[in-house]
Amino acid sequence: KQEVTQIPAALSVPEGENLVLNCSFTDSAIYNLQWFRQDPGKGLTSLLLIQSSQREQTSGRLNASLDKSSGRSTLYIAASQPGDSATYLCAVRNEAGSYQLTFGKGTKLSVIP
Amino acid sequence: NAGVMQNPRHLVRRRGQEARLRCSPMKGHSHVYWYRQLPEEGLKFMVYLQKENIIDESGMPKERFSAEFPKEGPSILRIQQVVRGDSAAYFCASSPQGGRGDTQYFGPGTRLTVL
Repeated sequence: KQEVTQIPAALSVPEGENLVLNCSFTDSAIYNLQWFRQDPGKGLTSLLLIQSSQREQTSGRLNASLDKSSGRSTLYIAASQPGDSATYLCAVRNEAGSYQLTFGKGTKLSVIP
Repeated sequence: NAGVMQNPRHLVRRRGQEARLRCSPMKGHSHVYWYRQLPEEGLKFMVYLQKENIIDESGMPKERFSAEFPKEGPSILRIQQVVRGDSAAYFCASSPQGGRGDTQYFGPGTRLTVL
């Protein structure tokens, strides 16, 4: 059974700092991995999707990497801004269960002005 | 193109009442997924539906929960005789084709509170 763990559970950084969020998964047989952002009281916004054959994806100040064999992914946020404050969720799609997403509990990020 | 819509956004029920949560997928999407997020927990898959068919309900509690996606109208997640442990955020996602390569687009969720 796939399990996804995100560390740390919460993170507080001063504005402008670069930061890394971590995600690990127990079953390396994944189809893809996705990072979401969740704002309080709102839905999920997809940030980056990495296919199992890829090593990384970039969008603006965000960079996500994937090491499938070791079951790890990182989300790097450069030059953090107060608007980046949100909960960041990591989710994997298994090769076996083709449509189910397995989510971690998330990392709650606070960027202090 | 409007995104996935869910209503109500907030729902309060007393123990023993019924809760009906609605999800309108994005235009052109015929695949709907329901997830539940309990307090301090990650989202958990509940059920996957296509129009008029339940494809996978392996994540649904065995009792009191049911889901449908009729030919016309929104998908409905129904919880009968709610208990306090049902208090959670319920998210709906939709996709155009289903399958591994399909991206799921999430709605804003319905926050259910059971008193």
